Amino acid sequence: EDKVVQSPLSLVVHEGDTVTLNCSYEVTNFRSLLWYKQEKKAPTFLFMLTSSGIEKKSGRLSSILDKKELFSILNITATQTGDSAVYLCAVPHQGAQKLVFGQGTRLTINP
Amino acid sequence: AAGVIQSPRHLIKEKRETATLKCYPIPRHDTVYWYQQGPGQDPQFLISFYEKMQSDKGSIPDRFSAQQFSDYHSELNMSSLELGDSALYFCASTPRGLAGPSTDTQYFGPGTRLTVL
Repeated sequence: EDKVVQSPLSLVVHEGDTVTLNCSYEVTNFRSLLWYKQEKKAPTFLFMLTSSGIEKKSGRLSSILDKKELFSILNITATQTGDSAVYLCAVPHQGAQKLVFGQGTRLTINP
Repeated sequence: AAGVIQSPRHLIKEKRETATLKCYPIPRHDTVYWYQQGPGQDPQFLISFYEKMQSDKGSIPDRFSAQQFSDYHSELNMSSLELGDSALYFCASTPRGLAGPSTDTQYFGPGTRLTVL
């Protein structure tokens, strides 16, 4: 069965710090891995990764995939209080496209 | 840009009542997914539709049913509601196309918060 595990489950840092969120996965016929940010509403799409070693970047956020070791990381530099959210990692289930989510990392940025 | 629309945004029902949640996908998206997210939990897949046909089924109770209409909007019907059905219900959509990286990114609606009393 497809499985996604995120760590840490919870992280509290100060504004300006850099954080790294981890996502490991086990999935048959891997196709892509997605990162979402969820505040008190719907998950908002951040990145989709399909190839190993190619960093995706958007402002202070970046993500990279390692298909050999079956994990991805999401980095946030110079964190701001607005980065406080739950960050979800997900992979499409083989064939059917439904997303299998990890438990999420709850990130809290203190001023 | 247009997003996924869900209605209602909040719904309060009594036990054993019925509820209908609606989802309008992004224009030109023909695949719709329903997810249930309990407090402090990750979204759990319920059911999906592609071109008005059920394409996949997850952990959806038999008391729930769903369908997709000719305009691609979808409705989730929930009967004999139980306290445990209280959750956020998200709808997501993907563009038209064969399953693959180009259609893997799902765009989520704002969700319907269902409270069963």
